[in-house]
Amino acid sequence: AQSVTQLGSHVSVSEGALVLLRCNYSSSVPPYLFWYVQYPNQGLQLLLKYTSAATLVKGINDFEAEFKKSETSFHLTKPSAHMSDAAEYFCAVSRSGGSYIPTFGRGTSLIVHP
Amino acid sequence: NAGVTQTPKFQVLKTGQSMTLQCAQDMNHEYMSWYRQDPGMGLRLIHYSVGAGITDQGEVPNGYNVSRSTTEDFPLRLLSAAPSQTSVYFCASSYGGGRNTGELFFGEGSRLTVL
Repeated sequence: AQSVTQLGSHVSVSEGALVLLRCNYSSSVPPYLFWYVQYPNQGLQLLLKYTSAATLVKGINDFEAEFKKSETSFHLTKPSAHMSDAAEYFCAVSRSGGSYIPTFGRGTSLIVHP
Repeated sequence: NAGVTQTPKFQVLKTGQSMTLQCAQDMNHEYMSWYRQDPGMGLRLIHYSVGAGITDQGEVPNGYNVSRSTTEDFPLRLLSAAPSQTSVYFCASSYGGGRNTGELFFGEGSRLTVL
């Protein structure tokens, strides 16, 4: 079985501050990992993904995430928050072998203060 | 390419009414799925399909039916709507076979209210 835990349903930062959204996963086989972003009243779009290549993955809008197998983590970071980053962020895991149906975390709402 | 297209975007139903949420994709994806999104619950899988003629249940299938007669279309049917089905529904698709990593391409969502 696979699962995803996103720590913190809401994260608040000031504009220009570091963004850190936490994601821990469990998987019985090597995982594929994803971060999606959902802007208000829109669908989800892919930010970045890890599919067993480089452990540090860069995505759109200067977001990046690092796969740490020993910590079973895939935290999302951005050096400097922008007001336009305010959105809901979802971490997801799928298995690299067998079923590819992803499991999603419950989401983290990023609030950016001016 | 339009990607994944969902209709309608908004719908209000009365308890007991039936309706169909439409989903179409033009990327020739083999895998299609329906999720519902509720506050604090994340995304929960309702039904999915790995190809035309093949469907299976997800985490929360009760009260919903699906069919997959073509690669492009994957409608979601509510036979007798209940207030508990008030939610935002997302259709998603992805590659099949060896290209499938679990990465999903989402539609814009359909917001359903059941009174």
